Amino acid sequence: DIVMTQTPSSQAVSAGEKVTMSCKSSQSLLYSENKKNYLAWYQQKPGQSPKLLISWASTRESGVPDRFIGSGSGTDFTLTISSVQAEDLAVYYCEQYYDTPDTFGAGTKLELK
Amino acid sequence: EVQLVESGGGLVQPGRSLKLSCAASGFTFSNYGMAWVCQAPTKGLEWVASISTGGGNTYYRDSVKGRFTISRDNAKNTLYLQMDSLRSEDTATYYCARHWAGYWYFDFWGPGTMVTVSS
Repeated sequence: DIVMTQTPSSQAVSAGEKVTMSCKSSQSLLYSENKKNYLAWYQQKPGQSPKLLISWASTRESGVPDRFIGSGSGTDFTLTISSVQAEDLAVYYCEQYYDTPDTFGAGTKLELK
Repeated sequence: EVQLVESGGGLVQPGRSLKLSCAASGFTFSNYGMAWVCQAPTKGLEWVASISTGGGNTYYRDSVKGRFTISRDNAKNTLYLQMDSLRSEDTATYYCARHWAGYWYFDFWGPGTMVTVSS
C-alpha cells in the first residue's frame, strides 16, 4: 500500500496567517500517460464529515475559497492557506487515489494560537 | 442538492452482524461508483469498500475481505454494507461517499453512522 505522511500533525495559527502543510507519498502519484497527480485534499471540521477541497493535487472544487492552494508533484505535495480564517480550523487530510487501496494521511490539525 | 444519509449503525456484540444503508438523492445514483470509508474514534480516515456503477465490480480493504459485503440497489438509490463477524477493531463512524467520475477520490460524503462493537 502507498503510505501517506503528513506533517506537521498539528499547527497553532492566528487569523490572517499564511499556513502550509505537507503530504508525502511513498511512491510517485504522477501518472505518466495524462501527466496528472492522483492526490486529493479534504477538510474535516469537528463533528462533521470530510469535505473535498482539492483534487488532482491543485484543482480547487467549486465553492472552495481561493485562499486554499494545492501544489506539488510526484511524491511531495503542499496545501497552503494564504490567510487563515477562523472557519478554517479543522483537520486536513491528503489522499492518494493512484493505486488501490486508496490511502489517507494521518491529518494535520489546525488550532488557534 | 446531493445528499447521502447513512443509517443502521449501533451497538453490536463481537461476532454479530449489522447492515448499513445509505440513501442517496439529488443526483443520478446509477451513474456513480460509491464507497464506504470509516473513521475510528479520534483516528484518521480509512477506505473500506467500493462498488462500481452497476454493482458488478466490488473492492475491499484486506481487513474486511470475507466479512463485509458492499452492494447497491439502483432502483432504490441505496447503497449497503453488510458487516458480518464484527470485531472490536471495526468500531468506527462509517461514511457513505461518492466517487467522482470513475476516479477513486470522494466528492460528496454523508454525515456518517456510528458502529460500536463491544460486549
